[in-house]
Amino acid sequence: QVQLQQSGPRLVKPSQTLSLTCAISGDSVSSNNATWNWIRQSPSRGLEWLGRTYYRSKWYTDYAVSVKSRMTINPDTSKNQFSLQLSSLTPEDSAAYYCARVPGVSGWHGFDFWGQGTLVTVSS
Amino acid sequence: DIVMTQSPDSLAVSLGERATINCKSSQSLLFSSNYKNYLAWYQQKPGQPPKLLIYWASARESGVPDRFSGSGSGTDFTLTISSLQAEDVAVYYCQQYHSIPFTFGPGTKVDLK
Repeated sequence: QVQLQQSGPRLVKPSQTLSLTCAISGDSVSSNNATWNWIRQSPSRGLEWLGRTYYRSKWYTDYAVSVKSRMTINPDTSKNQFSLQLSSLTPEDSAAYYCARVPGVSGWHGFDFWGQGTLVTVSS
Repeated sequence: DIVMTQSPDSLAVSLGERATINCKSSQSLLFSSNYKNYLAWYQQKPGQPPKLLIYWASARESGVPDRFSGSGSGTDFTLTISSLQAEDVAVYYCQQYHSIPFTFGPGTKVDLK
């Protein structure tokens, strides 16, 4: 059974960088049969896909245009996890952040396993 | 970006009755090469992440009760709960995975009448 365990701060100051980690068990971040995603949810923006990383002979990342200039997703094969870094935070970035897996080699499928979520507040 | 809309915003259904949720996409989610619709449905309860119910518009995820069914093609889709149970009270979302960025509908809240 795949499990995704998130860690990271819940309170971050404006202009700072958010760093979240998603530890994977029951699968591998290097799998050729999955992609690894970050999604956030807020009352104002609903569910918003932020980006993904995946390995197909080399590493790939895709980002939503809305966060592309501020976001980095990195895989860590030694710890079997992947991370999100989101810089230049504003209160509009306050949301519940989730990591999630998409199964399959193509990357086109629903999100079948989710992390527990991290409720992040951006406030001074 | 593909825009997803849902209707109604909320609905109240009696135990054992049918609940129907509609989802519309701003462009077709059907790939002609494989005749698959790139649409998923999720259930979310308070304090929990969304749970995948349906993918490919009508394929039920493993372990999902058969009272949940998905239908539709192209730009119009429906999630049906054939006989509502108390544990089905939740918010339901549709999501397209036809193209990046993946996008979600705004959600439909299902309550007991």
